[in-house]
Amino acid sequence: DQQVKQNSPSLSVQEGRISILNCDYTNSMFDYFLWYKKYPAEGPTFLISISSIKDKNEDGRFTVFLNKSAKHLSLHIVPSQPGDSAVYFCAATFGGTSYGKLTFGQGTILTVHP
Amino acid sequence: EAGVTQFPSHSVIEKGQTVTLRCDPISGHDNLYWYRRVMGKEIKFLLHFVKESKQDESGMPNNRFLAERTGGTYSTLKVQPAELEDSGVYFCASSPHRTYSNTGELFFGEGSRLTVL
Repeated sequence: DQQVKQNSPSLSVQEGRISILNCDYTNSMFDYFLWYKKYPAEGPTFLISISSIKDKNEDGRFTVFLNKSAKHLSLHIVPSQPGDSAVYFCAATFGGTSYGKLTFGQGTILTVHP
Repeated sequence: EAGVTQFPSHSVIEKGQTVTLRCDPISGHDNLYWYRRVMGKEIKFLLHFVKESKQDESGMPNNRFLAERTGGTYSTLKVQPAELEDSGVYFCASSPHRTYSNTGELFFGEGSRLTVL
C-alpha cells in the first residue's frame, strides 16, 4: 500500500520554462510534506517543505503547493535551469517524534534542456 | 563540517554471505536513520536511532537485518545471510535533536549500493 505516489516517472522541460512536479497521498494524518532532490551517485538533498496547515510555501525559484482536499501537492520550479536536472522525491511525515520517518514517492526524473 | 559518510560505496556479495554497512552521521546529530531503495522504487524507511537506542525499527524487513549504534556515534547495518532481494541502495541519514526541526529535514549520505548475486 503506497501512501505517497508520484505518477509521472519523468518530465522534460526547456530551460527558462516552468517545471511542475506532482505528488498524491492517501493518508490525511500526514503533518508535513517535503521535496528532496537527488543527483546520480549522491544522497537525497532536502529542497523545501510545507506544513499541513498551509497551502503554499515559497523559497526562491521553488514553490510547493498543498491541496489537502485533493490530497495533492506540487512543486513548481521557475525558471527551470539545466542544473535542476535530477530525480525529485516527494515525501511525507507524521511529525512529532516520528518526523524523520519519511514516506517517499517513487521519484520523478526531471530533465531541463538548454 | 563533514556530512554523513557511508562505507562501502558499493559491495558485491554472493547469496548467503554477510555484509556490514557503516554510517557515520554528522557530528552531534542524535538521530540516525537507515533507508533503502530497491530497484529504482521508492526510498523506504528501515529504522531510527536516537543516540544508541532504537526508537523505531518497524521498517526492518526481517531478522536477517541487524542494526547497531554502539556509543551513539556511528551505526552499522548487517545483513546475514544476504538474499537476492536485499540488493539495492542503503541510505543513512541524520538530524539534530528534534527541537531543531520537526519538518522532516534529514541529511543523507551518498548511500551504499549492495549487489547480491
